[in-house]
Amino acid sequence: DAGITQSPRYKITETGRQVTLMCHQTWSHSYMFWYRQDLGHGLRLIYYSAAADITDKGEVPDGYVVSRSKTENFPLTLESATRSQTSVYFCASRGDFFGGTQYFGPGTRLLVL
Amino acid sequence: AQTVTQSQPEMSVQEAETVTLSCTYDTSESDYYLFWYKQPPSRQMILVIRQEAYKQQNATENRFSVNFQKAAKSFSLKISDSQLGDAAMYFCACTQGGKLIFGQGTELSVKP
Repeated sequence: DAGITQSPRYKITETGRQVTLMCHQTWSHSYMFWYRQDLGHGLRLIYYSAAADITDKGEVPDGYVVSRSKTENFPLTLESATRSQTSVYFCASRGDFFGGTQYFGPGTRLLVL
Repeated sequence: AQTVTQSQPEMSVQEAETVTLSCTYDTSESDYYLFWYKQPPSRQMILVIRQEAYKQQNATENRFSVNFQKAAKSFSLKISDSQLGDAAMYFCACTQGGKLIFGQGTELSVKP
């Protein structure tokens, strides 16, 4: 189906482990974004990408790594998970126009023990 | 730094009544866009309404409308004829450098 998907939807991991969250969109949107949502903070931007092989930091990038080898995929990696990275993670995408709507994936709920 | 402020963490409305959610923003950009997103218990982020800052006319989408006051940097959302399905977290957002800056959200409950 067309749209934006995230996997896994739920993940439990332990402190120090590497975790990769996947994001896939079928619209060929240029821009993709990763947010985390925590109580009291709304959504905060972690990283974003304007095109394949072009990525940039957002508001809270520490502890995260991204890559974008293909337009449709934008994985987010926690290289060594910490308890403070327990959160709900959202991927989003939009077209070239800066004022265009961002469309969100269903989210991944991550628990770091 | 650009900020978006939603001063009402929680709001409540009676079914069929009207409720207004507040949002103020601070931006130095001359061209920007404003959004309201709805997040129901499923956690899916759903676009409610979008406003171009250069347009004076307030955007409307069925029962949802905005009161956009550019000089005051205010962007409130009015929900008319509230329905039980409107119960959700609502986020205001503003573009900044091609990204979105979100407010902290307002949780709306609808009483039958």
